[in-house]
Amino acid sequence: ETGVTQSPTHLIKTRGQQVTLRCSSQSGHNTVSWYQQALGQGPQFIFQYYREEENGRGNFPPRFSGLQFPNYSSELNVNALELDDSALYLCASSTLQGRSGELFFGEGSRLTVL
Amino acid sequence: GDSVTQMEGPVTLSEEACLTINCTYTATGYPSLFWYVQYPGEGLQLLLKATKADDKGSNKGFEATYRKETTSFHLEKGSVQVSDSAVYFCALSEYEAAGNKLTFGGGTRVLVKP
Repeated sequence: ETGVTQSPTHLIKTRGQQVTLRCSSQSGHNTVSWYQQALGQGPQFIFQYYREEENGRGNFPPRFSGLQFPNYSSELNVNALELDDSALYLCASSTLQGRSGELFFGEGSRLTVL
Repeated sequence: GDSVTQMEGPVTLSEEACLTINCTYTATGYPSLFWYVQYPGEGLQLLLKATKADDKGSNKGFEATYRKETTSFHLEKGSVQVSDSAVYFCALSEYEAAGNKLTFGGGTRVLVKP
């Protein structure tokens, strides 16, 4: 069974640029969510995708957007990068919506904005 | 809105010592509660969970009891090992929110010395 994989693992961008992060969900999982983890803090929910549609969003501006593909993989896009966007971006997949709460996380993509 | 507060670290212990990490929460409904662990160089992993009041979650010698009256979910282990060194996150999920959206605490770094 293949776990959640994310790419790239590290990247450096400059302010104002755009970035795309990618995630392959665990086999059999149809729900993908994205989290931002700033240094020394807990992850914060960005949004979730289920059946290729956004299904819930946290307190993030519209320049954070995403996609989910028919094979359940996903992308996170961030436009007009700001210094505060520097963080570890975590992708998580799961089989069900609802109360289980058991998300399977990738190791993350660490973004540095200069 | 929902929030999770956990004790700040780092917590430094000797092997075989007792560990307690305090976690309290604020939620409008009846959340499910979780502890996730992040070992060095790895992604977040579910450690244990409890879905209703008075439930006890347990795994790998760790335990936590869902206390609705005190809105708490403290993590305990009676005898820690060096391999327990990690960052521990308390989290909650409300079904009425977006699917498996998790609200995390800030994390507690635990270092166990031989």
